[in-house]
Amino acid sequence: SYELTQPPSMSVSPGQTARITCSGDALPRKYAYWYQQKSGQAPVLVIYEDNKRPSEIPERFSGSSSGTMATLTISGAQVDDEGDYYCYSTDSSGDHWVFGGGTKLTVL
Amino acid sequence: EVQLVESGGGLAQPGGSLRLSCAASGYSFSDFWMHWVRQTPGKGLEWVSRINRFGNTTFYADSVKGRFTVSRDNSKNTVYLHLSSLRVEDSAVYFCTTFTTPNDHWGQGTLVTVSS
Repeated sequence: SYELTQPPSMSVSPGQTARITCSGDALPRKYAYWYQQKSGQAPVLVIYEDNKRPSEIPERFSGSSSGTMATLTISGAQVDDEGDYYCYSTDSSGDHWVFGGGTKLTVL
Repeated sequence: EVQLVESGGGLAQPGGSLRLSCAASGYSFSDFWMHWVRQTPGKGLEWVSRINRFGNTTFYADSVKGRFTVSRDNSKNTVYLHLSSLRVEDSAVYFCTTFTTPNDHWGQGTLVTVSS
């Protein structure tokens, strides 16, 4: 079955740029979506269709995709950005969705 | 305001069954696909299933195919997930979600525990 691969964790200092990657064979043809999840809460969509940002999401969140890798960038990360980040996409058929394993972001 | 409220979770024995419900309000339910996603406590998210607007097209993750069935009743603004042949590894919080963009909506989840 199709898989999306993310690093399990990363750590940045406040104000630094965090880049979280997601690799998958179908990403050249399929959009990537990114969710933020804080402990005990439902996931929140922060990026959709590779690089679009919902209006309520801060501008420091951006997305890009090139080849088999999608990237979520948090420019000037804040302590409030700590949490788990998941990429989300479909397999090549478009029928089955899959989450990446998640990346735990620490900002300290 | 869009609301999704899951119910039906609980304790089930291995090999048993449960039916989860997700009641939607605040938007035109019949216009959108619905998805089920689950999360084992302390672990990652796993997409489980989705169903189209009319209820006649469904897809499942390989891990649940043949054991889970998704359905919907547009007259009741409700989507269902019937879990059967349950395994210990099916224990998780189950969320329903619209997965609409740019603003998608999630329920608070319902906990399923499979244990003897």
